[in-house]
Amino acid sequence: RKEVEQDPGPFNVPEGATVAFNCTYSNSASQSFFWYRQDCRKEPKLLMSVYSSGNEDGRFTAQLNRASQYISLLIRDSKLSDSATYLCVVNSYNQGGKLIFGQGTELSVKP
Amino acid sequence: DGGITQSPKYLFRKEGQNVTLSCEQNLNHDAMYWYRQDPGQGLRLIYYSQIVNDFQKGDIAEGYSVSREKKESFPLTVTSAQKNPTAFYLCASREGTYGYTFGSGTRLTVV
Repeated sequence: RKEVEQDPGPFNVPEGATVAFNCTYSNSASQSFFWYRQDCRKEPKLLMSVYSSGNEDGRFTAQLNRASQYISLLIRDSKLSDSATYLCVVNSYNQGGKLIFGQGTELSVKP
Repeated sequence: DGGITQSPKYLFRKEGQNVTLSCEQNLNHDAMYWYRQDPGQGLRLIYYSQIVNDFQKGDIAEGYSVSREKKESFPLTVTSAQKNPTAFYLCASREGTYGYTFGSGTRLTVV
């Protein structure tokens, strides 16, 4: 089983749609959680950290359920510019502080 | 502006040749990481360093070597022992529990 697993993509949605990405992680010792965005042939960029209480940044909402070892990202009112691959990322302090990346879910927003 | 600089952006390697990828950061981060990304796949950890003069193997270290003689620099050498080196190589740094900051990457191709 992979340490971080994401919904297989791609997701193709019209502009204005709401889209949700799901992610599960296997190591219960994980302490920090992130969503990254990666545009085609570019480096990943931090989209947002994920906190236990849930957090929101504009149209983006992230949720964490430690009991279920589950992370989600919700994008409301999607824009063409949201088209990218979204990476779920988990940190484990018992693994030297490295970040573990999911394989990513591709999102394509169409006019 | 603080950031991570990777060079070169594109690199072509002949069979049997060693090549070195540069990674420099001016963020004053202690931890630095090298990842490899293959098309359609997630990031895989090659090596990481949490302090100067110390580094650890990641999940796919075979055929690679690194050094960390200065806090700012973490070069990666792809040796002739790496049989399938064609990939997108990403360097990252991190401070504390925050997410990674990535460089813009180096695309290595075997010719």
